[in-house]
Amino acid sequence: SQTIHQWPATLVQPVGSPLSLECTVEGTSNPNLYWYRQAAGRGLQLLFYSVGIGQISSEVPQNLSASRPQDRQFILSSKKLLLSDSGFYLCAWSIRDRVYNEQFFGPGTRLTVL
Amino acid sequence: AQSVTQPDIHITVSEGASLELRCNYSYGATPYLFWYVQSPGQGLQLLLKYFSGDTLVQGIKGFEAEFKRSQSSFNLRKPSVHWSDAAEYFCAVGASGGSYIPTFGRGTSLIVHP
Repeated sequence: SQTIHQWPATLVQPVGSPLSLECTVEGTSNPNLYWYRQAAGRGLQLLFYSVGIGQISSEVPQNLSASRPQDRQFILSSKKLLLSDSGFYLCAWSIRDRVYNEQFFGPGTRLTVL
Repeated sequence: AQSVTQPDIHITVSEGASLELRCNYSYGATPYLFWYVQSPGQGLQLLLKYFSGDTLVQGIKGFEAEFKRSQSSFNLRKPSVHWSDAAEYFCAVGASGGSYIPTFGRGTSLIVHP
């Protein structure tokens, strides 16, 4: 069966510090991968998605970036965090070749920027 | 462009009462529709999905949803709510036409009173 991991589970970082969140998927190959953010009391905001190694599409211009160094690894980064980067970050995957895109979500990372 | 509307931000019900969460979509063809649930501090879990066929779909945890093309709706129902159903519920319409990006509603927060 497939599983998706995210770490760390929680993170408290000062403004201006760097960020690296990691997501890995097990039990599948060639997945589509996604990064979402949830601000407090708000819905899902798609940040990045990827259809293959090294292929990243950005949905929202900001100080975050994403990379996919391996097929089942997706990393969210920032060089300098802002207060507005606080939120709940979710990684998700879907099966690439399906016509419909049911997504499977990770447990999330709670980021607090102080 | 596709869109999803969840008109209720919050819904409050008493334990044991019936539940209906509304979802309306805008889509140019036959939609692929999903309901997800998110417990506090956790990722999203798929409750049920509709692709084709029977318009009444059964899901996990006793939930069901009915696809009504004429009303562009996909409402989620449960005959008797349990306190553990308190969570955020998201309706989504799947991607198509080469896109890998599903569209989510803003979510409905379910509060269950004892």
